[in-house]
Amino acid sequence: ETGVTQSPTHLIKTRGQQVTLRCSSQSGHNTVSWYQQALGQGPQFIFQYYREEENGRGNFPPRFSGLQFPNYSSELNVNALELDDSALYLCASSFDGAGGNTQYFGPGTRLTVL
Amino acid sequence: DQQVKQNSPSLSVQEGRISILNCDYTNSMFDYFLWYKKYPAEGPTFLISISSIKDKNEDGRFTVFLNKSAKHLSLHIVPSQPGDSAVYFCAASARTGNQFYFGTGTSLTVIP
Repeated sequence: ETGVTQSPTHLIKTRGQQVTLRCSSQSGHNTVSWYQQALGQGPQFIFQYYREEENGRGNFPPRFSGLQFPNYSSELNVNALELDDSALYLCASSFDGAGGNTQYFGPGTRLTVL
Repeated sequence: DQQVKQNSPSLSVQEGRISILNCDYTNSMFDYFLWYKKYPAEGPTFLISISSIKDKNEDGRFTVFLNKSAKHLSLHIVPSQPGDSAVYFCAASARTGNQFYFGTGTSLTVIP
């Protein structure tokens, strides 16, 4: 069984640029959730994709967008990067979109915005 | 508005003793709870879960207790081992929802 993978592991961008982060879900899982973890904080929910549709969104602006592909892998896109976007971005996969299913996390992508 | 709170940022215990990590929540709709362990430069690793129909769940050295009336859960690790040193997050969700809400974490140090 393959776990959740994310790429790249680290990324440095400048303010105003755009970035795409990628996530492959655990085999058998059809749901991917994205989280932002700032230093010293817990993960904050960005959005969730279930069967290629957005299935809920946290308190993040529209410049955070995503996609899920037929193989259930996913992308997180962030436009017009701001300094406060510097964080660890985590994706988590689960079998179903419901809140009662355990989510399994990837190793994360560390984004630094200069 | 922090719906899940871990009020102890850090905890130190001696190897072999019990570690107790606490978590409080405010939303009465939450009915599924998870604990994760996180090492630096890694993603959170799932440890143990509990649903609101239970008040205790055990898996090896890890036991989670849920007190619904107090909106409180705790993770007990017995006996604590140096490899348990990590940041522990609790997370809560409503089965009717689709997101987990996380606490800010407790950094556990197990002293050999």
